[in-house]
Amino acid sequence: DAKTTQPPSMDCAEGRAANLPCNHSTISGNEYVYWYRQIHSQGPQYIIHGLKNNETNEMASLIITEDRKSSTLILPHATLRDTAVYYCIVRAGHSGGYQKVTFGTGTKLQVIP
Amino acid sequence: NAGVTQTPKFQVLKTGQSMTLQCAQDMNHEYMSWYRQDPGMGLRLIHYSVGAGITDQGEVPNGYNVSRSTTEDFPLRLLSAAPSQTSVYFCASRPATGGPYEQYFGPGTRLTVT
Repeated sequence: DAKTTQPPSMDCAEGRAANLPCNHSTISGNEYVYWYRQIHSQGPQYIIHGLKNNETNEMASLIITEDRKSSTLILPHATLRDTAVYYCIVRAGHSGGYQKVTFGTGTKLQVIP
Repeated sequence: NAGVTQTPKFQVLKTGQSMTLQCAQDMNHEYMSWYRQDPGMGLRLIHYSVGAGITDQGEVPNGYNVSRSTTEDFPLRLLSAAPSQTSVYFCASRPATGGPYEQYFGPGTRLTVT
C-alpha cells in the first residue's frame, strides 16, 4: 500500500468547512483513496473513497488532485460530533486476496464551538 | 443487521491469565481481522482470516491465537496475558469480492492486564 502523510492535528470552527489534506505521492494506478474516522473510544468508521474523480456522499466530499498525489476530505459544515481522528488510507481496489490495511496516526480534528 | 459485535467491552486480567475476545458479524463477510490500538498510535493488525478455516498473521501476532470455524465468528485468544497486551482491540470485517469496499469495525474491547 502507498504511504500517506497527514498533519497530526487541525482545528475547525463549528459550522465552517473542515478541509483535511492527505499526501500520497507514491500512489499507483489501481489504488483507491479511502477515508475513515475514529471518534473517541469507538471503532473506525468508513467515510468515503475515490479513485480519481471527486466524490461526494452524505457525510463528506473527497477531492483528488489530477496527478492523484494528494487528496482533501471536506466536511462541509463541521459539528462538534465531527471531532475525531481522521485516517487517509491508500490501497488497491481489486478483490483478489487479502490486503493488509495500514492505519497511520491520522489527523486529530478538533471542532471548536 | 447488528454489524460487527464484540464482547466484552471491558476486561481486566492478571498477568498469566488467558481469555478469549469474541467477535461476530452478521453481514456474511468473508474477511475478518483483529487490530490493537495503543494510546497515540494507529491500528496494528494482529491476525486476519479470509474465510472459514483460513487464518494468517498480521503485524503483531505474538501472544495471540485465532480460529475461524464459521463465517460469522472470529475469536481472539490471549494465551498468557502480559501487561504489554493492555490495549483496545477492534475486530473488523468486509466482503471479499465486489471491491472497492469499506471495512466495518466493531465497538472495541478495552483490555487491561495488571
